[in-house]
Amino acid sequence: KQEVTQIPAALSVPEGENLVLNCSFTDSAIYNLQWFRQDPGKGLTSLLLIQSSQREQTSGRLNASLDKSSGRSTLYIAASQPGDSATYLCAVRNNNNDMRFGAGTRLTVKP
Amino acid sequence: DTGVSQDPRHKITKRGQNVTFRCDPISEHNRLYWYRQTLGQGPEFLTYFQNEAQLEKSRLLSDRFSAERPKGSFSTLEIQRTEQGDSAMYLCASSLAYSANYGYTFGSGTRLTVV
Repeated sequence: KQEVTQIPAALSVPEGENLVLNCSFTDSAIYNLQWFRQDPGKGLTSLLLIQSSQREQTSGRLNASLDKSSGRSTLYIAASQPGDSATYLCAVRNNNNDMRFGAGTRLTVKP
Repeated sequence: DTGVSQDPRHKITKRGQNVTFRCDPISEHNRLYWYRQTLGQGPEFLTYFQNEAQLEKSRLLSDRFSAERPKGSFSTLEIQRTEQGDSAMYLCASSLAYSANYGYTFGSGTRLTVV
C-alpha cells in the first residue's frame, strides 16, 4: 500500500526566502505525482504534475523534482511571498488507480 | 466548462439525518473520485468511478455511505444516519483515465458538520 509522507509538517519563513518542501513515498511504481495548494477551508488547486518518466517540472517560481528510484519529490518555491501561505499537498498516483496524499506542509510566509 | 462543481458548499445536519452531496465533473473526464478530508490531514480516498461503473471502494466507506454515478456524468454521495465522526470536508475530483500527463482536478468541496 502506498504511503506518502511530507516533511516538515509546518514551516514559517520571512518573505523573500527560497524554500524546499519534501515528499516521500514508499512504492516507486508510480504513474505520476502532483503537487497541490490548499487555502484554509477551500478545495485543492493543482500546481504541478510530474509524469513518472520526468525528472522535474517548472511553473513560475515553483519547481518540482522527482526521484522515483528513491521515492522522493521536492517542491522548490523561489522568492516566497505572503500570498504563498497555504498548505501544500503532495499526491501520488499508482498505476492508473486512485491518488494517495500526504498530510501536507502548512507554510506561513511572514511579511 | 467551469471545472469541477460541488453542491452544497456547506451542510450542517443533526446526528442521525441523511445527507446527499452532488459533484459535477469536467464534462470530458471519464473518471470521478470522492475523498474525505479532516482537519490537519490530507484527503483520504473513498471511492472512484470510471464512467458509470464504481471500480473501487475504500474500507473507509462504511455501509452508511453510498455513491452513484448513474449516467456517467454527475455523481452523488449519500451518508445515512450521520454521526459526528462524519464531520469533514468531502472533496470530488475528476480526471481522464489512461493519461499519465493529466492530473486530477478538484472541486471546492462540501464541508459537512454533524451536530
